[in-house]
Amino acid sequence: EDQVTQSPEALRLQEGESSSLNCSYTVSGLRGLFWYRQDPGKGPEFLFTLYSAGEEKEKERLKATLTKKESFLHITAPKPEDSATYLCAVRINFGNEKLTFGTGTRLTIIP
Amino acid sequence: AAGVIQSPRHLIKEKRETATLKCYPIPRHDTVYWYQQGPGQDPQFLISFYEKMQSDKGSIPDRFSAQQFSDYHSELNMSSLELGDSALYFCASSARQGSGSGANVLTFGAGSRLTVL
Repeated sequence: EDQVTQSPEALRLQEGESSSLNCSYTVSGLRGLFWYRQDPGKGPEFLFTLYSAGEEKEKERLKATLTKKESFLHITAPKPEDSATYLCAVRINFGNEKLTFGTGTRLTIIP
Repeated sequence: AAGVIQSPRHLIKEKRETATLKCYPIPRHDTVYWYQQGPGQDPQFLISFYEKMQSDKGSIPDRFSAQQFSDYHSELNMSSLELGDSALYFCASSARQGSGSGANVLTFGAGSRLTVL
């Protein structure tokens, strides 16, 4: 059965304290792994798409990496405005465009 | 840039009532998706439409139905509402890039919060 698991469920960091969020997946035929950021009561906001193992993408303080079994979202020197829930999602199978989400990591950056 | 527009933003209904949510995708996006997100939960896929035809179906209750219209907007109809239907309902849209190509990105709306009393 296809599964997407994120860890930790919640993470509290001091401002400037770097860390990584994990998304591990067991799917048949990965066709894309997506990272979204979601603020409370709002819709998920797209961050990155990764397609193949070894791929990396960066945006400001965030960097996403992908292996054959998992993806990491590295956050460097975070600021309070980086506080949000970070969702990982996968797309599998050709002709099927939906995303299957993990349960997310709730990140809190303390000033 | 134009985003995905959802209405209403908030909706309060009684049990056994009916509710309709609307979604206006980004212009030239041909695929619409509906997701349900309960408190503290991840978004759960309900249903999607490509070029006005249902393209995939997830965990959508039989009490719910949806369609995509000729102008590509979509409506999610929910009947016989139950307390457990209280959730955020997100619509997302995307533009397909053709079969066999790289994955395309889903852009989400701000959501409609349904509260069933």
